[in-house]
Amino acid sequence: DAGVIQSPRHEVTEMGQEVTLRCKPISGHDYLFWYRQTMMRGLELLIYFNNNVPIDDSGMPEDRFSAKMPNASFSTLKIQPSEPRDSAVYFCASSSYTGVIQYFGAGTRLSVL
Amino acid sequence: SQQGEEDPQALSIQEGENATMNCSYKTSINNLQWYRQNSGRGLVHLILIRSNEREKHSGRLRVTLDTSKKSSSLLITASRAADTASYFCATDAEDTDKLIFGTGTRLQVFP
Repeated sequence: DAGVIQSPRHEVTEMGQEVTLRCKPISGHDYLFWYRQTMMRGLELLIYFNNNVPIDDSGMPEDRFSAKMPNASFSTLKIQPSEPRDSAVYFCASSSYTGVIQYFGAGTRLSVL
Repeated sequence: SQQGEEDPQALSIQEGENATMNCSYKTSINNLQWYRQNSGRGLVHLILIRSNEREKHSGRLRVTLDTSKKSSSLLITASRAADTASYFCATDAEDTDKLIFGTGTRLQVFP
C-alpha cells in the first residue's frame, strides 16, 4: 500500500481564495483524521470520520472550514475564504479503528498571503 | 487543549549517547503511543504501550509508563544522526475517541 496520500504538498494562495486539500486514506481503514500543525499551537485535531461519517468536528476553528468524505477512499478539507492565520501544515491520517496506530500523510503546507 | 506535555522541548546530544524524553498527561488512558516526525514529513508511529504495561522495548527504544504519575518516558539508546527528529507522545483518553498529541521534543543528534 502506498500509505496515506495528500495533495497538494504545497499550496500558496491569496487571502480570500478558496483552498481545497485532498486525502486518500489507506485502503481498509475505517477512520480518517484531519490535523493542523503550527509552531504556536502544535498538532491540533480538526475533525475525524468513521466509515465516512463525521464524528467530531469540535476542532474545526470556524465556519470557513469544512470537511467531507464522499467515499471510503477520499476526503477533502476546504477553507473558504482563506486567511493568513490559516497558514499551517495540514495532515491527514487514517487508522483501522480509533485509539490505535494512526498513519499520517506527508502533509500539505499551506501559505495564505 | 493538548493532553500531553513533553519535556524537554529540545535536546541536543552526540552520536552514541542516550536520549531521554518525558511525557506527562492529564486524564486516564487506554494506551500511550510515541511518534517521530522528521523535518517536513508526517508523523510515524514508533511504539505503543498499554495502560496495564509498565515497560516496553523495540530495538533501541525503551518506553516506560507510570499511570499513577500520569507520565511516560522514551529512551533512545546509542543515538544516531538519523534519529534527529521531533518526538511526540499521544494518548487516547478513556472518555474520548480522540488521539491527543503532546507538544513534542526536538532531538538533535550531532555526528
